[in-house]
Amino acid sequence: QSVLTQPPSASGTPGQRVTISCSGSSSNIGSYTVNWYQQLPGTAPKLLIYSNNQRPSGVPDRFSGSKSGTSASLAISGLQSEDEADYYCAAWDDSLNGWVFGGGTKLTVL
Amino acid sequence: EVQLLESGGGLVQPGGSLRLSCAASGFTFSTYAMSWVRQAPGKGLEWVSAISASGGSTSYADSVRGRFTISRDNSKNTLYLQMNSLRVEDTAVYYCAKELAPSGAFDTWAQGTMVTVSS
Repeated sequence: QSVLTQPPSASGTPGQRVTISCSGSSSNIGSYTVNWYQQLPGTAPKLLIYSNNQRPSGVPDRFSGSKSGTSASLAISGLQSEDEADYYCAAWDDSLNGWVFGGGTKLTVL
Repeated sequence: EVQLLESGGGLVQPGGSLRLSCAASGFTFSTYAMSWVRQAPGKGLEWVSAISASGGSTSYADSVRGRFTISRDNSKNTLYLQMNSLRVEDTAVYYCAKELAPSGAFDTWAQGTMVTVSS
């Protein structure tokens, strides 16, 4: 069982907006920023959002992140078929003295 | 171009040892913290270990503490993970990743190397 909780699956049609939630606690999300990773099938993860809402160079502005209290969300607008992937949230946890990940959300574009 | 290239994965029997290497290029290796993250077949991501830029500070997941050792050689731009007393449940793809300061986000990942622990 993962320390951060994500829904196992999400779906949407092309052009739609979808959100993926990530729930934690005071020792992780409540105290530290959240990062999001995208993992396309058969590839290494890729940083999508860091520090709650910052996009690395090259990441489309269709992807956005937010955080409130002990929860965070990733939003994808204008959904495209190439967005079909697994998405993971992550944060530092000072009780465990290490990084913790969510269990991952498999996004399907219908 | 920032690049991480792993080597050292393979098949090992339970109780055995393996050392993974991660060669870095395209950035000043000695100024960045690094981590190892693994992914068991069909499962999610699990952080394994981290090391500071100088190598003076390390941290481990509870699942590997006392069995795995992270280290780095800044003169060779290389990160290591020494894995001892391997268990079947250590079977996974292992990724090395560069940390983005100050967030600590993993902004560059290697291609991954498979470690299979089986008799």
